[in-house]
Amino acid sequence: GAVVSQHPSWVICKSGTSVKIECRSLDFQATTMFWYRQFPKQSLMLMATSNEGSKATYEQGVEKDKFLINHASLTLSTLTVTSAHPEDSSFYICSAKTGVGNQPQHFGDGTRLSIL
Amino acid sequence: QKEVEQDPGPLSVPEGAIVSLNCTYSNSAFQYFMWYRQYSRKGPELLMYTYSSGNKEDGRFTAQVDKSSKYISLFIRDSQPSDSATYLCAMSADGRFQGAQKLVFGQGTRLTINP
Repeated sequence: GAVVSQHPSWVICKSGTSVKIECRSLDFQATTMFWYRQFPKQSLMLMATSNEGSKATYEQGVEKDKFLINHASLTLSTLTVTSAHPEDSSFYICSAKTGVGNQPQHFGDGTRLSIL
Repeated sequence: QKEVEQDPGPLSVPEGAIVSLNCTYSNSAFQYFMWYRQYSRKGPELLMYTYSSGNKEDGRFTAQVDKSSKYISLFIRDSQPSDSATYLCAMSADGRFQGAQKLVFGQGTRLTINP
């Protein structure tokens, strides 16, 4: 149980392109989803938290107009990197949790984004 | 000073050895402690989830939390080559407000189990 699917797993695109990444909870309803960014050999850095039906809460230093997050249903959240540039190249990982309180987060397998 | 400190390693041990992984932290508000395993180019997989101080055992894995010392550990017994991965500690304060749970991760320790 508690499977989170993330798509695509890998994307390469030209600078200036917008890229959408999907995160789905397959066997549970995710009241809260999280988006992280991970650089090589570094830990996960939280970018934003989204609750279903609400606007996302962004961490300090993360541009909300650059990284658009939509959490329209209890099983789907999307992250759109708008007008991506090479410095946006990274490993993006989503996680999801159910319920109120400290239920554990379950992670997707990440999306490797390469901007040429 | 980082909120969570974890030795990045790399750590290399022979198969069958007992592995000890550790994290220290500075925020006394942390109450929930997790260990995740991350294989290369994959998302983190939850291994252990503990609340407050004490020990928790699951198969070959034992998690220990010492809140008085702000120190947590993960022990792996009878280590196998398939245990080779990066191990991340993570922790959070009581995040019941709006159902959020902000996790703070350690840097991760790269572990290799040699056959």
